[in-house]
Amino acid sequence: AQKVTQAQTEISVVEKEDVTLDCVYETRDTTYYLFWYKQPPSGELVFLIRRNSFDEQNEISGRYSWNFQKSTSSFNFTITASQVVDSAVYFCALSVGRSGGGADGLTFGKGTHLIIQP
Amino acid sequence: SQTIHQWPATLVQPVGSPLSLECTVEGTSNPNLYWYRQAAGRGLQLLFYSVGIGQISSEVPQNLSASRPQDRQFILSSKKLLLSDSGFYLCAWKGKGSNQPQHFGDGTRLSIL
Repeated sequence: AQKVTQAQTEISVVEKEDVTLDCVYETRDTTYYLFWYKQPPSGELVFLIRRNSFDEQNEISGRYSWNFQKSTSSFNFTITASQVVDSAVYFCALSVGRSGGGADGLTFGKGTHLIIQP
Repeated sequence: SQTIHQWPATLVQPVGSPLSLECTVEGTSNPNLYWYRQAAGRGLQLLFYSVGIGQISSEVPQNLSASRPQDRQFILSSKKLLLSDSGFYLCAWKGKGSNQPQHFGDGTRLSIL
């Protein structure tokens, strides 16, 4: 079975500070996919990034960056120079790839509520 | 481009009443479809998934059922709602291929009285 742990229930920082959201995952599958989603107060889930288990290259997209480390089973998300619009609940999720198809359903962490204060 | 629609956006139902939530996808064919539930203050839990018309798999035992009568239509139902069915229900679709991300609808907030 898969498991995703987001130990930080809530983080509050002042605007322009950098903030890192932690994600630790567990799976016995050697092929898997990691995702981050943003859930603003309106409730919809917005896809941010996907990472394959065989690609440990970190990624940067504007103020967002992701650090994937298989050695520690972590996929952390950093927001640089945070803004009020970044306030949301952020979810880390995991799916495992299975040859011949399969549901690819997501296992989610419980989310981190990020509050950016002006 | 692909879009996903869910309705209704909010719903208040008495205990014991039936339920039907609908989700449709446009701009793609033969997607995988999913229903998730988000209880208050908790993460999302996968309820059902479907890889094709008429093919439904349940992830957790519960009071709900799902159906896929058409390729891009996914319905979540219940004959008799329980208080524990309250929550935020999200429908999602993805393309075939394990590396494809899931894309979510706007969700339905269901309150059971």
